Amino acid sequence: GQSLEQPSEVTAVEGAIVQINCTYQTSGFYGLSWYQQHDGGAPTFLSYNALDGLEETGRFSSFLSRSDSYGYLLLQELQMKDSASYFCAVRDPRGYQKVTFGTGTKLQVIP
Amino acid sequence: GAGVSQSPSNKVTEKGKDVELRCDPISGHTALYWYRQSLGQGLEFLIYFQGNSAPDKSGLPSDRFSAERTGGSVSTLTIQRTQQEDSAVYLCASSQVGQPQHFGDGTRLSIL
Repeated sequence: GQSLEQPSEVTAVEGAIVQINCTYQTSGFYGLSWYQQHDGGAPTFLSYNALDGLEETGRFSSFLSRSDSYGYLLLQELQMKDSASYFCAVRDPRGYQKVTFGTGTKLQVIP
Repeated sequence: GAGVSQSPSNKVTEKGKDVELRCDPISGHTALYWYRQSLGQGLEFLIYFQGNSAPDKSGLPSDRFSAERTGGSVSTLTIQRTQQEDSAVYLCASSQVGQPQHFGDGTRLSIL
């Protein structure tokens, strides 16, 4: 089976940098994705790592270390609108399209 | 439409009634997913479809829950004899194979 762990809450100051960690235990591995969800809204895709290293998309970057079964999402130059929940997710390695989501991290950006 | 469409957006019903939730995926997306999200919680996988087939139904909470997809497009999630613990937001997502999921806005289900 698949399980992913994230911190439940993180608070950071506007303009700062914050890192949201995700550790996973899976029977195989097929890439780590990150999604953002604002309160009352739908999750939206942010980033995907299939291989080790850093992927950068504007203010957001995502990192993966497969040997450590660990990844993180890095948000730079935080803005108030970044306050949301962030989920990591892995895809079933059996070739099915099932996606398992982490427990989610609620980020609060404060002035 | 341009995105995943779910209906109704809100549904309030009495305990014991049946409800049907609808998802209209993005055109051309072969994979379709149903999730359940309780207030402040993560996404609980229910079922996914590849085309009209459901290779993995392991997430359905009980035999009161069922889902179907026809024509490789629209899907319906049916909950029979609803219970109060069924109250949640039901999210649908679609994707092309191996690509990121696109979510609908969800159906907020409240069981009185």
